[in-house]
Amino acid sequence: ELKVEQNPLFLSMQEGKNYTIYCNYSTTSDRLYWYRQDPGKSLESLFVLLSNGAVKQEGRLMASLDTKARLSTLHITAAVHDLSATYFCAVDAGRNYGQNFVFGPGTRLSVLP
Amino acid sequence: KAGVTQTPRYLIKTRGQQVTLSCSPISGHRSVSWYQQTPGQGLQFLFEYFSETQRNKGNFPGRFSGRQFSNSRSEMNVSTLELGDSALYLCASSLLLEPYEQYFGPGTRLTVT
Repeated sequence: ELKVEQNPLFLSMQEGKNYTIYCNYSTTSDRLYWYRQDPGKSLESLFVLLSNGAVKQEGRLMASLDTKARLSTLHITAAVHDLSATYFCAVDAGRNYGQNFVFGPGTRLSVLP
Repeated sequence: KAGVTQTPRYLIKTRGQQVTLSCSPISGHRSVSWYQQTPGQGLQFLFEYFSETQRNKGNFPGRFSGRQFSNSRSEMNVSTLELGDSALYLCASSLLLEPYEQYFGPGTRLTVT
């Protein structure tokens, strides 16, 4: 059974600081997805990582994928309050792509002024 | 292009009742997946439909069922509701082409009393 872990589960950081969220998964997969969820809202797609060594950046967020280590990271640079949300990584676990995502437990990020 | 829509957005039901939730995918998307989100269990995959056929099913009891119509709209039904069924139910649609991304609707918040 595919398991996806994230750490930390809770992260409180000050504006302007840098930090990294880690996502580990238990079986081989060459594609990983990062989502953001604001309280009471749905999931917003952030990044799609499709191969080993893939790196994507958008604003203050950068995601990378190491399929050999079964590890993805989401790096936050110079955090701002607007980044406060819960971040989920998800691994595509279906027999065929796009059928079944297994999500990590989420990292609740709080950026303090 | 309109996103994934879900109705109703909020629902309050009593134990023992049944409920039907509806999901309309993005135009052209033929795959619809359903997820349950609770504070304790996180995001869990319920089932996935493609061309009116259920292709994948998560580890949920038979009280949870679904179907998909020829226009790709999907419904999920929960019979004999239990308190533990209180959750945010999210629907996601996919084009099933690279990068096999899933796009999530706003969710239906179900409260069982």
